[in-house]
Amino acid sequence: KAGVTQTPRYLIKTRGQQVTLSCSPISGHRSVSWYQQTPGQGLQFLFEYFSETQRNKGNFPGRFSGRQFSNSRSEMNVSTLELGDSALYLCASSPKGASTMVSGYTFGSGTRLTVV
Amino acid sequence: AQSVAQPEDQVNVAEGNPLTVKCTYSVSGNPYLFWYVQYPNRGLQFLLKYITGDNLVKGSYGFEAEFNKSQTSFHLKKPSALVSDSALYFCAVRDLRGVDSAAGSYQLTFGKGTKLSVIP
Repeated sequence: KAGVTQTPRYLIKTRGQQVTLSCSPISGHRSVSWYQQTPGQGLQFLFEYFSETQRNKGNFPGRFSGRQFSNSRSEMNVSTLELGDSALYLCASSPKGASTMVSGYTFGSGTRLTVV
Repeated sequence: AQSVAQPEDQVNVAEGNPLTVKCTYSVSGNPYLFWYVQYPNRGLQFLLKYITGDNLVKGSYGFEAEFNKSQTSFHLKKPSALVSDSALYFCAVRDLRGVDSAAGSYQLTFGKGTKLSVIP
């Protein structure tokens, strides 16, 4: 079956712009989580969506937002981009809500965002 | 909050030698522990997990991990390293978040990662 699909793979944006990243989870997976990966901070949790509801949010400013659609696809948006937002953004899906955490996450390949 | 620590930023090992990538954890309650691997410009791939049961967990690509409750460790091991094992390895712990534990969701809290280099 198809894995987690993230689009686009690469993005270059200018400071002050906004960006939208997309994630399509594995078919049947209802939970989608987003992580930011940077060399300095490592992997940091952004937020998690389950059945179109944001269940948890990490310690990021309000410029970072997301949503989930009825087909479980998710988008995250970053407004007023800053240089420090340059990172690999990873999406992960899990089957039955993250509360089971039995099978672990399946990650996408990520979107590499560069802010110039 | 739960946490994991990977004390080594980098591990170098000769091809064919055994490898160990270290991880220690700090949790309240029973730990749910995971190992993931990341190849350049790729997402994370699941290797193995410890939920309960045998302390030696076997995973993908010949990797295994040993859970040690007294030492709060969950080290990743492989008997014979391959050059293709060179990658970034992450240890992770299940972390309960949310105001209501019944409705809250479990997320993964990751270590900083360890870069494994297998030298031919």
